[in-house]
Amino acid sequence: DGGITQSPKYLFRKEGQNVTLSCEQNLNHDAMYWYRQDPGQGLRLIYYSQIVNDFQKGDIAEGYSVSREKKESFPLTVTSAQKNPTAFYLCASSTDRPLGTDTQYFGPGTRLTVL
Amino acid sequence: DQQVKQNSPSLSVQEGRISILNCDYTNSMFDYFLWYKKYPAEGPTFLISISSIKDKNEDGRFTVFLNKSAKHLSLHIVPSQPGDSAVYFCAASTAYSGAGSYQLTFGKGTKLSVIP
Repeated sequence: DGGITQSPKYLFRKEGQNVTLSCEQNLNHDAMYWYRQDPGQGLRLIYYSQIVNDFQKGDIAEGYSVSREKKESFPLTVTSAQKNPTAFYLCASSTDRPLGTDTQYFGPGTRLTVL
Repeated sequence: DQQVKQNSPSLSVQEGRISILNCDYTNSMFDYFLWYKKYPAEGPTFLISISSIKDKNEDGRFTVFLNKSAKHLSLHIVPSQPGDSAVYFCAASTAYSGAGSYQLTFGKGTKLSVIP
């Protein structure tokens, strides 16, 4: 069963702590993405990665870090420098064809609440 | 500066009727457009897409129309069903984003309620 998994579904952390959100895909997709959704807002791109060991900042990368050591995995760390970390975080992947005819597929999301 | 706008935060439609969700964009470089459906606390699900070389794409009950001169697209759902109740996001991309990655710009979404 191919797809994208994110864990955990709900995550609670104390202010000032770093936290890492997991994203794994078995779709053999090259590109992976992290988005953040806030109430009443669209999805905003945090980071993306086209290939292993390479990643680029999105529109709101400040306070976040990522790694891409394996094709299947793209973990996101929310650091203490992120001013408003409480949000719904979504991971996505695609085959990253430059002609833009492919589609991003999303995981189920992780709801992070910082207390 | 919002490049993709969904000006209606919500829409209510009777079951069996047509639902029309609208989306406007400002970036003339966008040439591929997608609609996603999202239930609360779940990831978005891809619905339908259209490239700028077409003005219409149909898939079952879902049809997307693109008006490039007006920089406007719409999603039609006919007939609407209660299970269609969700938030619908419009998204757009450029075929070549410089880095060669397929980045999407999303609107804020429209919450559709289909009333039985």
